[in-house]
Formats: sequence, structure tokens, C-alpha cells
Amino acid sequence: NAGVTQTPKFQVLKTGQSMTLQCAQDMNHEYMSWYRQDPGMGLRLIHYSVGAGITDQGEVPNGYNVSRSTTEDFPLRLLSAAPSQTSVYFCASSYGGRYYGYTFGSGTRLTVV
Amino acid sequence: DAKTTQPTSMDCAEGRAANLPCNHSTISGNEYVYWYRQIHSQGPQYIIHGLKNNETNEMASLIITEDRKSSTLILPHATLRDTAVYYCIAPGYLGETSGSRLTFGEGTQLTVNP
Repeated sequence: NAGVTQTPKFQVLKTGQSMTLQCAQDMNHEYMSWYRQDPGMGLRLIHYSVGAGITDQGEVPNGYNVSRSTTEDFPLRLLSAAPSQTSVYFCASSYGGRYYGYTFGSGTRLTVV
Repeated sequence: DAKTTQPTSMDCAEGRAANLPCNHSTISGNEYVYWYRQIHSQGPQYIIHGLKNNETNEMASLIITEDRKSSTLILPHATLRDTAVYYCIAPGYLGETSGSRLTFGEGTQLTVNP
């Protein structure tokens, strides 16, 4: 198993550009989530999904869009990048429910200039 | 979500047990407590979770008080590689979608010293 794979690992964007952060898992996990982590801070939930076709907003959803057309993939779209979106983005997946922990990817480090 | 309170930082000698406390006095009866850790710049790693009974796995033990208002994560023989930020999370009971949302606080920076 590759686990949770995030691409790219590093990205520099100009203000106003759009891009998609990719997240894929090969563990047949139902739950998937996106978090961002700013320097010296804890993780904040952006969007999450409890199954294909089902998504919901987390704590900081503004400026981001998600879709879940397959169980394996959960891409995060930045609609119009802003410097405030400079952060490290983590994707995570879980079998779901209360009885399982999440597996996290290694992160995408995004800088918006 | 139940509010969790953890010390900002702790130190531990290599080879000794590391005991990381967490207060979650507002936790409800069916909320699990989860522990994750994050080694510098890496993605968080799930450690263990529990409801009311003590739990043990290959990584750690989790001791939950009888009133469930606090818990302690125990790393029995800490190594330098256990240096990380440890997060205690009580995400709340959401019925069928329980566990779908995790709220990470500031956590405890554990430093294991040689």
C-alpha cells in the first residue's frame, strides 16, 4: 500500500492563480479530509468527506473547493490563490466511524506570492 | 467537540516512560479520545484512542480516568524518535459520521533528551 499520496510536495503560486492539490489513497477508506497548518500552529480542517459524492465544510472552507467522485481521490481546489493561503496542506483518510484513526499524507507546502 | 487542555511542553529522558496528560472535563459519555503525534514537518500520525477502558497497542498505552475527565498517554520507553508534538482530541459524537471531524489544538511538545 502506498497509503495517502499527496502531489505536488511543493508549489509556488502567484496571487490570483488557481490550482488543484491532489490526494489519493489506496486503502479503500471511506473518510477523507483536508487540513492546513500554518507555521507554529495546529491543524485546521478545511473540508471533509464521509464517502464518494459526499463532502462537507470544515473550520476554514473559504477559498477552497472539493469534490469526491471516487473513493480513492479527494482533490482540493484553490479558486484564486491569496497570500493568506500560504500553508502546509495535509490530506488524511480513515475507514470511517469512531473506531479508526486517520492516516495522513506527507503534505503539500504551498507558497502564494 | 470537548475542549481539551494539554501542557505546552514536556521533557523526558531517553529510556524512561513519558506520561502526557490531557484534560477533557466536558467530554460526553459517548465521545472517544484520540491521540496523534506530529514529528517535525511530517504529517500527523495516529497513536491510539479509547472510550472508557484503558487501551494499549504497540506504540503506547492510554489511561482514561473513571470519570473520563482526563486521560494520560504513556510511551513506556521513550526514544529520541518520540520527540514530537502530541495532540489529544475529543471530536464529539456525531452519530453515524462520528470521527469525521478532528479538531487539533496546540498539543504538547515532547522533547526526549539523551
